Order: sequence, then structure tokens, then C-alpha cells
Amino acid sequence: DADVTQTPRNRITKTGKRIMLECSQTKGHDRMYWYRQDPGLGLRLIYYSFDVKDINKGEISDGYSVSRQAQAKFSLSLESAIPNQTALYFCATSTTQYTGQTTDTQYFGPGTRLTVL
Amino acid sequence: EDQVTQSPEALRLQEGESSSLNCSYTVSGLRGLFWYRQDPGKGPEFLFTLYSAGEEKEKERLKATLTKKESFLHITAPKPEDSATYLCAVQPSGGSNYKLTFGKGTLLTVNP
Repeated sequence: DADVTQTPRNRITKTGKRIMLECSQTKGHDRMYWYRQDPGLGLRLIYYSFDVKDINKGEISDGYSVSRQAQAKFSLSLESAIPNQTALYFCATSTTQYTGQTTDTQYFGPGTRLTVL
Repeated sequence: EDQVTQSPEALRLQEGESSSLNCSYTVSGLRGLFWYRQDPGKGPEFLFTLYSAGEEKEKERLKATLTKKESFLHITAPKPEDSATYLCAVQPSGGSNYKLTFGKGTLLTVNP
């Protein structure tokens, strides 16, 4: 089974609708992230959470909200979807490791392709 | 502001034709430089982390190297299954060390 899962994998919705994307992980990591990927723009951070009570905005948080329901679950909501939110959305997880070097490698889920009409 | 520039944007190789992908970066203190592989419509798959200049890591036909200004991903005798987009990202040391800054990627196509 995949360590990081995302649901749904594909979603088509209409302008103005509220939608939620969900992420679950079995890696036991404390940190979770939401990114969006657009052609020519690369991956951009929307929100990140270091634990259940610690949620922070990333570089492009406007129009989005998140909820960390448990250490293993992190959901992303679009309160009122608009067409320019059409993109690939990725959840990622990490934990700080101290093995000679301090690192925080992020592991990504399979993604959700969202289309807003 | 941290920046990552990858070149070339696209690279087409014949099977067995070795080459290198470049990742140039500026960062206020480097905690780690990451290489990922991404297949179309899928999530980035972690390949390597490099921490300091002079470090090298290998995995099958891939070898990543790091200097103070850039990293190279060398692909030796590539096969068609190596076709993918390769992403480079940097993580700063210091206060914002959670943050990865990604390049836009190099799309590698290996023809049989």
C-alpha cells in the first residue's frame, strides 16, 4: 500500500463550489504539506503543518484553507472554487531526521487533478 | 530569495547516450539539495539528498553531484524507462528550513 494517499485522484467541479481534497499517510511523519503544480510554474507551497496544532500559510494560500484532523490526515479545502485553481495538487510528508546530517526529506502522494469549469 | 534554475528544459537522448542535467541554485545557507523524478500525472519520487559541496550519490544509472553553486544529475547509458521529468529543490538552513524551493524541471526523453 502507498505510504501517502490522496482522494479523490481526479475531480471536475464548477465555479463557486466548495470542495475538499484529502491526504492520509502511514509514514508516521509529523509534518505535512499541500502543493499545487501548474505547467511552467513548478511546485508551489499552499499550506504546511508541523503537527496537529501547528498550521501555517505557504506562498499561495489565498482561496484555500486546511484542516489537520490527526497526525496522519491533512485536508485542503477550496471554499469557492474558481477556474484558475485548476491544477495538480500534491500532499507531501516529512520528518526531521538526525543521521549524521539533519534533513527533512519530503515524500509526495500521487496527486489530485482538479478541474474547475 | 532562494532560487533554482534547471537546464535544459527538455533533453532528448538515444538509448545508451549518457548526459547530464544541471541545477543552479542560490540559497541563504544550504541544508540540503534534493533530486526527484516525476512521471506524467504522478507525484514526485524522491531520488537523492545532497548536503555539502563535493558530495556524490548514485542509484542505478543516476549519479548526483554537488558544488557550492550547482548540482548535476548524470545519467549513464540511459534506457527508455528513465524518461521522466527530473526536479531539483533546495532547502535552506536557518529559520525557514521547512521550505523547499523547486526548479521547473528537465523533461528527459530516452528513445529506444
